[in-house]
Amino acid sequence: EPEVTQTPSHQVTQMGQEVILRCVPISNHLYFYWYRQILGQKVEFLVSFYNNEISEKSEIFDDQFSVERPDGSNFTLKIRSTKLEDSAMYFCASISNLWTGKAGANVLTFGAGSRLTVL
Amino acid sequence: AQSVTQLGSHVSVSEGALVLLRCNYSSSVPPYLFWYVQYPNQGLQLLLKYTTGATLVKGINGFEAEFKKSETSFHLTKPSAHMSDAAEYFCAVSDNPSQGGSEKLVFGKGTKLTVNP
Repeated sequence: EPEVTQTPSHQVTQMGQEVILRCVPISNHLYFYWYRQILGQKVEFLVSFYNNEISEKSEIFDDQFSVERPDGSNFTLKIRSTKLEDSAMYFCASISNLWTGKAGANVLTFGAGSRLTVL
Repeated sequence: AQSVTQLGSHVSVSEGALVLLRCNYSSSVPPYLFWYVQYPNQGLQLLLKYTTGATLVKGINGFEAEFKKSETSFHLTKPSAHMSDAAEYFCAVSDNPSQGGSEKLVFGKGTKLTVNP
């Protein structure tokens, strides 16, 4: 079964450092997402991406965050200058089409996550 | 704005006992509702979903959930727990995009299910 692949599975970094989290979505999917989960808290939407641009972002997704699809297969999340509060599990997800409004609508496929620890 | 409340961050049951994980939601438009499961070191896997139609939805691994609009609930059940059901379970809601909502998911905090032998 097709999978969404995320690397690294765990990254430890110093505060202020740049971090890039990588995702390889399912090959025929068109919509891409990043979510995050701070330990003990809810899984939160960060950003959605379609047709090489951000389609929606949350208030969490400030100027320190950016996303890119550099080569048609990878989908990256960059944090320019990490803060302690960026420590979380980051999930990538993809979907082939948006919901059609019909029963049996498509659903997101999530990756296993990248755990980021900022010291 | 949408929200999801999962009652109980930890639920413990005996093997063979009923599993009941509670989820209440709020949504301004008819919702799509989902249950995801996360096994250790794995991604979020869809258990079941409700979009339209029959309000009792059957999913994988013997789980089912019932959409109750009057109670704004979507509780997850399984008649008989198995050791392999031990995992974290997340309820999520999205607004129906065909009625002006957004496709993004809003998750609950999750419920960790422990199954005792």
